[in-house]
Amino acid sequence: GDSVTQMEGPVTLSEEAFLTINCTYTATGYPSLFWYVQYPGEGLQLLLKATKADDKGSNKGFEATYRKETTSFHLEKGSVQVSDSAVYFCALGGSNYKLTFGKGTLLTVNP
Amino acid sequence: DAGVIQSPRHEVTEMGQEVTLRCKPISGHDYLFWYRQTMMRGLELLIYFNNNVPIDDSGMPEDRFSAKMPNASFSTLKIQPSEPRDSAVYFCASNGQGTGELFFGEGSRLTVL
Repeated sequence: GDSVTQMEGPVTLSEEAFLTINCTYTATGYPSLFWYVQYPGEGLQLLLKATKADDKGSNKGFEATYRKETTSFHLEKGSVQVSDSAVYFCALGGSNYKLTFGKGTLLTVNP
Repeated sequence: DAGVIQSPRHEVTEMGQEVTLRCKPISGHDYLFWYRQTMMRGLELLIYFNNNVPIDDSGMPEDRFSAKMPNASFSTLKIQPSEPRDSAVYFCASNGQGTGELFFGEGSRLTVL
């Protein structure tokens, strides 16, 4: 079945550092890929998405590229801010709109 | 536009009591999902509906859990009887056809003593 593996956290960075959170997936067919973010005390919200191979999703300075050859969708940001502290979830979606989520990665950015 | 609305936001109850969590999806969305989030198991899909019909309930942990969607604007998740291991944050999410994006509520934090 479909599955998502993302790097274990927690990740702790200083402000303006470079961020990478790795995500790989296993799926049949051609899923869409997503990154969701969860701020403390809130529900998840979509950060970015990509629907086909080689697509790049981007939002708020975050980027991720859909790599079919390596079945990966790594999240990157060139310069993190304290306000980026949150839990980040990688997810894949099939044709039935059901999403399969990774376990989440806690990011803490210190000033 | 209002987002997905869940109630209650917090619930503390004693083992053996019945718990009912409620969800109002975004108007016009025809998919509704119930997820459970814990530190140990992360985010788990419990059940989802399409046009008020349950499509996949394979994630429902056991018979103590039940979910209904009597109409397009309301769904409930019921636990009877509740147990301490049911303590978690329960999220409802909805999805409009063709978007591929889930919209989550703020969650209901359940503590069973």
